[in-house]
Amino acid sequence: EPEVTQTPSHQVTQMGQEVILRCVPISNHLYFYWYRQILGQKVEFLVSFYNNEISEKSEIFDDQFSVERPDGSNFTLKIRSTKLEDSAMYFCASSGGLANYGYTFGSGTRLTVV
Amino acid sequence: GESVGLHLPTLSVQEGDNSIINCAYSNSASDYFIWYKQESGKGPQFIIDIRSNMDKRQGQRVTVLLNKTVKHLSLQIAATQPGDSAVYFCAENVIGSYGKLTFGQGTILTVHP
Repeated sequence: EPEVTQTPSHQVTQMGQEVILRCVPISNHLYFYWYRQILGQKVEFLVSFYNNEISEKSEIFDDQFSVERPDGSNFTLKIRSTKLEDSAMYFCASSGGLANYGYTFGSGTRLTVV
Repeated sequence: GESVGLHLPTLSVQEGDNSIINCAYSNSASDYFIWYKQESGKGPQFIIDIRSNMDKRQGQRVTVLLNKTVKHLSLQIAATQPGDSAVYFCAENVIGSYGKLTFGQGTILTVHP
């Protein structure tokens, strides 16, 4: 069964440092997403990406965040200057069309900012 | 504004019982709903979905019911097994939102052997 792959599974970084979280979406999917989940809380939408541009973003996704699809297979989330409150699980997802076409999540990257 | 919430944060059942997990949503523009299962350290795993033009959909051991009148969604799991123990989230998709899902708070389901 096709999977969304995320690396690394766990990343520890110092406050103020830049981090890049990486994702390989399902190969024939067209829509890509990032979500985050703070420990013990619900999953929150960050951003959706289609046709090489951001389709929608949440209030959380401020100027410190950016996304990129640098080649035909990877989808990255960059946090420029991490804060303690950025510590969370970050999930990548992809779908073939919009929400009702095989919407699949990766296993997540646990980001710890110290 | 949008909100998706759950009535019960925890649910404990005995193996073999049927489980019902509930979810309330407030955005009448939502047209697609998904139930996800999340096990510890893993990402949300698709269980079953339903469109707003339906009121019931069945899968293997799972049934989702949608009541648009009261904006309520439920997940029924038949013959619950210990492997069903996880956190269950409902999520909604709003028309024109480019695939954005809004998740509920989650219900912890514990199945005792």
